[in-house]
Amino acid sequence: DAKTTQPPSMDCAEGRAANLPCNHSTISGNEYVYWYRQIHSQGPQYIIHGLKNNETNEMASLIITEDRKSSTLILPHATLRDTAVYYCIVRVAGAQKLVFGQGTRLTINP
Amino acid sequence: DAMVIQNPRYQVTQFGKPVTLSCSQTLNHNVMYWYQQKSSQAPKLLFHYYDKDFNNEADTPDNFQSRRPNTSFCFLDIRSPGLGDAAMYLCATQGQGAGYTFGSGTRLTVV
Repeated sequence: DAKTTQPPSMDCAEGRAANLPCNHSTISGNEYVYWYRQIHSQGPQYIIHGLKNNETNEMASLIITEDRKSSTLILPHATLRDTAVYYCIVRVAGAQKLVFGQGTRLTINP
Repeated sequence: DAMVIQNPRYQVTQFGKPVTLSCSQTLNHNVMYWYQQKSSQAPKLLFHYYDKDFNNEADTPDNFQSRRPNTSFCFLDIRSPGLGDAAMYLCATQGQGAGYTFGSGTRLTVV
């Protein structure tokens, strides 16, 4: 699986959009970008994934650059409950392993 | 709701005393995983079962074993826990075309 690079920590004000970047410059053509988050003392939670096109669901939006070498997870109206570690993972769809990098610790401030 | 359940949430064991952590799922997913997560680190995959086929990660110590008696249950056995094995242990499942679903984890303390 391709390696990802994320900033170790970020802060965002409550109610604002949180934009979390991820670099995956060695991504292969058949690898998807997945985002998970882990709230303190809980198991990781799936957020969203995409291949080429931008994706949106009830939790977040995923913007993937045209060359697919980087992506941004957007939480449109961050709340205090969005404080968590966010993991960007690239992998082949259906692959059996989910390998976590160090992630970004996002803190939402009141 | 269908989910992945880990029991207990907190486990204290003595140094060197075998301990078993359990995971059950109601999702009927064919793949089950065990991850170890130490404080302030990312989850690290220990091994996984694809149906009954066991797949060990190359760097998983022999001290860690696993059993999957049926689709719903998977166990993590630590034969001789050391202080360095204190961690959160996460169970996850994956089905055909489905994403990963994680349990809430068991936090293991070794005394």
